[in-house]
Amino acid sequence: EDQVTQSPEALRLQEGESSSLNCSYTVSGLRGLFWYRQDPGKGPEFLFTLYSAGEEKEKERLKATLTKKESFLHITAPKPEDSATYLCAVYSGEAGTALIFGKGTTLSVSS
Amino acid sequence: DAGVTQSPTHLIKTRGQHVTLRCSPISGHKSVSWYQQVLGQGPQFIFQYYEKEERGRGNFPDRFSARQFPNYSSELNVNALLLGDSALYLCASSPPGGGAREQFFGPGTRLTVL
Repeated sequence: EDQVTQSPEALRLQEGESSSLNCSYTVSGLRGLFWYRQDPGKGPEFLFTLYSAGEEKEKERLKATLTKKESFLHITAPKPEDSATYLCAVYSGEAGTALIFGKGTTLSVSS
Repeated sequence: DAGVTQSPTHLIKTRGQHVTLRCSPISGHKSVSWYQQVLGQGPQFIFQYYEKEERGRGNFPDRFSARQFPNYSSELNVNALLLGDSALYLCASSPPGGGAREQFFGPGTRLTVL
């Protein structure tokens, strides 16, 4: 069964305190792993797509990496405006058109 | 360029009623997907449409239906509303070209069923 698990569920950081979020996945034939940011009450905002193990993508203070079983979202020197829920998703191996999401990691950055 | 748009923003209905949610994809996108997101969970797939045809359906009851119009906009219909249908309903569109492309989400419609 396709599955995406994110950890931790919640993370509190001080401004400037770097950390990583984890996304582990079980899917037959990975066809892309996607990271999104979601602010409360709003739709998810696309961040990154990763297609193969070893691939890395960067955007400002965020860097996403991919292995054969998991992905990490590294946040370097976070700021309060980075506070949000970060979602990870993969395309289902069974229902190929469906994105399967994890429950997300809620990040809070205090100044 | 305009992103994915959805209407209405908020909606309050009572049990047993019917609701229609609307979505316009990003210009040039032909694929539209619908997701349901309850509080504290990730979005859950409901439908995908491409070129007006249903290409995928999630594990939702037949009370949920959708369609796509010639201009690629889409409607999600839910009949006989239940309290458990209260959620944020998200629409997403994908760029053309096939393959496993990223999906771009709209702001969502917040449905409350009383």
